[in-house]
Amino acid sequence: DAGVTQSPTHLIKTRGQQVTLRCSPKSGHDTVSWYQQALGQGPQFIFQYYEEEERQRGNFPDRFSGHQFPNYSSELNVNALLLGDSALYLCASSRGQGMETQYFGPGTRLLVL
Amino acid sequence: GENVGLHLPTLSVQEGDNSIINCAYSNSASDYFIWYKQESGKGPQFIIDIRSNMDKRQGQRVTVLLNKTVKHLSLQIAATQPGDSAVYFCAEFNQAGTALIFGKGTTLSVSS
Repeated sequence: DAGVTQSPTHLIKTRGQQVTLRCSPKSGHDTVSWYQQALGQGPQFIFQYYEEEERQRGNFPDRFSGHQFPNYSSELNVNALLLGDSALYLCASSRGQGMETQYFGPGTRLLVL
Repeated sequence: GENVGLHLPTLSVQEGDNSIINCAYSNSASDYFIWYKQESGKGPQFIIDIRSNMDKRQGQRVTVLLNKTVKHLSLQIAATQPGDSAVYFCAEFNQAGTALIFGKGTTLSVSS
């Protein structure tokens, strides 16, 4: 049973560029949440997707956008990258709506120069 | 407001000792709590969870205790092993039940 997978594992971009990160949920899961984790901090919620729609959004600017596909996989897009966007981006999947356990992928390490 | 925090940023123990990691939360309406373990360079790994209608839940070598009166959670690891060295986070759901809110984490170091 495959767990949550993310790609790429590492990425280096320069300020102003755009980036797309990808996530495939755990088998049987239909909900995908994205988190940003700065060094030494706990993950911060970006947004959650369910039934191909953004269900809730955290305190992140519109430069952060996402998408969920019919097969439940998801993308996170960040435009106009800033140095402060350097972080570990985590995808978590869960089953259905409500308070269900979220299982995390290995993350994508983004470095913005 | 919603806040989940941990009492100690670091904890050092000897192999074989029992470890206790503490967590305080501020939202008395919180219904569901999860403990995660995060090793260096990896994503958080689910350890154990507990819902607010329980006081205690046991897993393999781990026990979570919930004290709703003082809004306190603890994770107990029995016979701690070097492989338990990691950062441990407690997390609770926001009021909408969508987002996990994490504390800053406790770094557990196990020496043999």
